[in-house]
Formats: sequence, C-alpha cells, structure tokens
Amino acid sequence: EAGVVQSPRYKIIEKKQPVAFWCNPISGHNTLYWYRQNLGQGPELLIRYENEEAVDDSQLPKDRFSAERLKGVDSTLKIQPAELGDSAVYLCASSLAVRNEQFFGPGTRLTVL
Amino acid sequence: AQTVTQSQPEMSVQEAETVTLSCTYDTSESDYYLFWYKQPPSRQMILVIRQEAYKQQNATENRFSVNFQKAAKSFSLKISDSQLGDAAMYFCAYQSSGDKLTFGTGTRLAVRP
Repeated sequence: EAGVVQSPRYKIIEKKQPVAFWCNPISGHNTLYWYRQNLGQGPELLIRYENEEAVDDSQLPKDRFSAERLKGVDSTLKIQPAELGDSAVYLCASSLAVRNEQFFGPGTRLTVL
Repeated sequence: AQTVTQSQPEMSVQEAETVTLSCTYDTSESDYYLFWYKQPPSRQMILVIRQEAYKQQNATENRFSVNFQKAAKSFSLKISDSQLGDAAMYFCAYQSSGDKLTFGTGTRLAVRP
C-alpha cells in the first residue's frame, strides 16, 4: 500500500514569491493534516480536513496561507507571498478517522531566500 | 492549552544497551492519548507506540515500552537492545479530546556502535 505522497520534496524560492505544496493521502483516509516543522522543533498543526471540510484551521495564517482539499482526496497548501520566516518543512499526514493513527509523508523542505 | 516537554535535547546509547527518553505533559483532561514518534534523518515520521490514558497497563511494542505515570503526567520511552537503526529524532505527542496532536521539541538519539 502506497504511503502519503508529497511533492515537491524541496523548494527554494525568493521572498514574496508564491509557492504550493501537494499531498496525496493514503487511499481511504478521510482525515488529512498539514503541519509545519521549524528547525529543531516538533510539527505544529496548520489545518485539519475531514473529507473536504476544513474542521480546524485555527493555526493557519490566513493572510498568506490557503489550503484546499477538493473532492476530499488530495490537498494543496499555498503560501502567497512567502516570507523568510516561512522556511520550514511542511508535513502532510492522513488517518482513517481523527482518532486513528496518523501516517506522515516525507515532507517538503521550503527555503525562502 | 496542553503542552508537551521533552527535557533531553540529545541522548546517546551504546548498541545493545537500554535507553530511556523522558516526556512530561500538562493537561486538565482525563481522556487523551499519548504517542512516541520516530523521525529518521529522511524525515518521514513513524509511530513507535501509543498509550490510551484510561489504560493503566503500559504499552509495549517489541523492544519499545513506555512508563506511563498519569498522576505525575509523565510518559517515558524505553528502548531495549538498542540498534543502529534506532538513531533518530524522537517526538513525544499528546492528543486531546479535541483531537489536536501536540508535539514536544524532540530528543535526538545517537546509537554508538
């Protein structure tokens, strides 16, 4: 069974540029999460989806970040415009339901110059 | 708000020996879950072990076991017969009844051959 797929694995952009990350969860997993992991820190939840509905986006900086999960399957996280402080690893995870084990993808390492 | 504290930024263990990683948490809830995740240098997070707060019996998974002290809000991970492949960042995490997963700052484990 394929795991959580994320692309790209690495992205380098200049500040003020837009960037997008893509995530394909494990087939059949209804719950999808986006986390941000700063260097030397644990992941922090940005947004959680139940199917196509965003049920927890309280930590998402809505002035520059947006996310969507059309049709309740794959998801895209966008930053526009990017700032230097957005440099981090962006992790996607999925689970069958909210109380089930979360399976993580390999992450996208973003560097903003 | 719930917090998770890992007071050991780095630990080292000799191959085949036993090591214990510490974790404390703060919560006012009675129903929650606790986890240990492993993040190898490739960065894909893997669940090591999970503990339900209502269970008094400590969880075990092969060489991995926990010491769950609910009253003390302590949740340590013991790795027996350490192997080179155990070298990674280990994150303690707490999941509340509100379902948000909160991670600690991690402990980097080195295994000496």
